[in-house]
Amino acid sequence: NAGVTQTPKFRVLKTGQSMTLLCAQDMNHEYMYWYRQDPGMGLRLIHYSVGEGTTAKGEVPDGYNVSRLKKQNFLLGLESAAPSQTSVYFCASSYPWETQYFGPGTRLLVL
Amino acid sequence: KQEVTQIPAALSVPEGENLVLNCSFTDSAIYNLQWFRQDPGKGLTSLLLIQSSQREQTSGRLNASLDKSSGRSTLYIAASQPGDSATYLCAVKDDKIIFGKGTRLHILP
Repeated sequence: NAGVTQTPKFRVLKTGQSMTLLCAQDMNHEYMYWYRQDPGMGLRLIHYSVGEGTTAKGEVPDGYNVSRLKKQNFLLGLESAAPSQTSVYFCASSYPWETQYFGPGTRLLVL
Repeated sequence: KQEVTQIPAALSVPEGENLVLNCSFTDSAIYNLQWFRQDPGKGLTSLLLIQSSQREQTSGRLNASLDKSSGRSTLYIAASQPGDSATYLCAVKDDKIIFGKGTRLHILP
């Protein structure tokens, strides 16, 4: 099992550009999450999904959109990137109320 | 609003010592609490998950306790090793998942 994988590992964007981060899990987990991690701020939940076709806002959802068209995939989109979105993005998945498994992260730099 | 605090922010101890990391939260109405380990430049690895009905969980040299009424959890690491050096984070789940900012642990050889 690959667990949770994230694509890409690193990306540089210019302000205003768009991109999509892909998260994939092969553990048949119902729940999937997107976090961002910033120095001094810790990990903050952006959006999450409790099942295929469902999404919900987390703590810091502004500027991001998500989609869960397939159970194993959770996409995070930035429509118009801003320097404040420079961060490390982590995806995680879990069974309901159970242990979260994290991906290796995507480092995003917005110039 | 739930707040999760981890003190200290950083800790250095000699190899072989037992140590305790602390996590406190402001709202006791949680579903569970999870401890993670994060190595530099890596993702998070789950260490222990304590459901709200449980008081502690153990895995190898690690023991985590939960006291919901006082809003506290501790992670006990026995016989520390240099390989234990990492950042340790706790996270509580109520209607959201809130992480502490972590304790950066350095085990001195």
